[in-house]
Amino acid sequence: SQQGEEDPQALSIQEGENATMNCSYKTSINNLQWYRQNSGRGLVHLILIRSNEREKHSGRLRVTLDTSKKSSSLLITASRAADTASYFCATDPIQGAQKLVFGQGTRLTINP
Amino acid sequence: EAQVTQNPRYLITVTGKKLTVTCSQNMNHEYMSWYRQDPGLGLRQIYYSMNVEVTDKGDVPEGYKVSRKEKRNFPLILESPSPNQTSLYFCASSRDTSGNTIYFGEGSWLTVV
Repeated sequence: SQQGEEDPQALSIQEGENATMNCSYKTSINNLQWYRQNSGRGLVHLILIRSNEREKHSGRLRVTLDTSKKSSSLLITASRAADTASYFCATDPIQGAQKLVFGQGTRLTINP
Repeated sequence: EAQVTQNPRYLITVTGKKLTVTCSQNMNHEYMSWYRQDPGLGLRQIYYSMNVEVTDKGDVPEGYKVSRKEKRNFPLILESPSPNQTSLYFCASSRDTSGNTIYFGEGSWLTVV
């Protein structure tokens, strides 16, 4: 099964509201990354948080990591229509093959 | 500009007709990989390469081949495509696997009829 599982699978909010997406994973990790994908396009890296970090900010993005609960959240503040996309978490497991493991993503729709 | 370029972007082909999807990166990255993305299944890794002449299977390697003769190129080969290989394919690269950002190509939509 997938290492990372995003929740919810789909989220629809009004422009200006905050959007929160969650990611849970199963095994110990070196780091966790969030990516964004516009429909049918390649994924774009948003932010990386290492296992010894608890919170990280980048512009309107805020990521938290709770290694005891094996979970992370991505908060997008003051959402804009252009934020409409799918968002994926990807974990870098400590053990196992040298690769990131992606979840199935959260489809975020910002309504104008 | 840092880029991962894959071609073709769109292809419709017939069952059994060999095809190659090319991938090239201009960042001198050591690590390259191929993913396929299917509805409800997310991104699944097909093959990856840690460096030139070093390749290994990902989660779903059946029906695919890869090669890494040069650092910048990592082609994906479908020797005998089947309809279940209809998917959106992404090539990706990163400097190494130590928690570095992965750069993705724009994707190749492949339909096998």
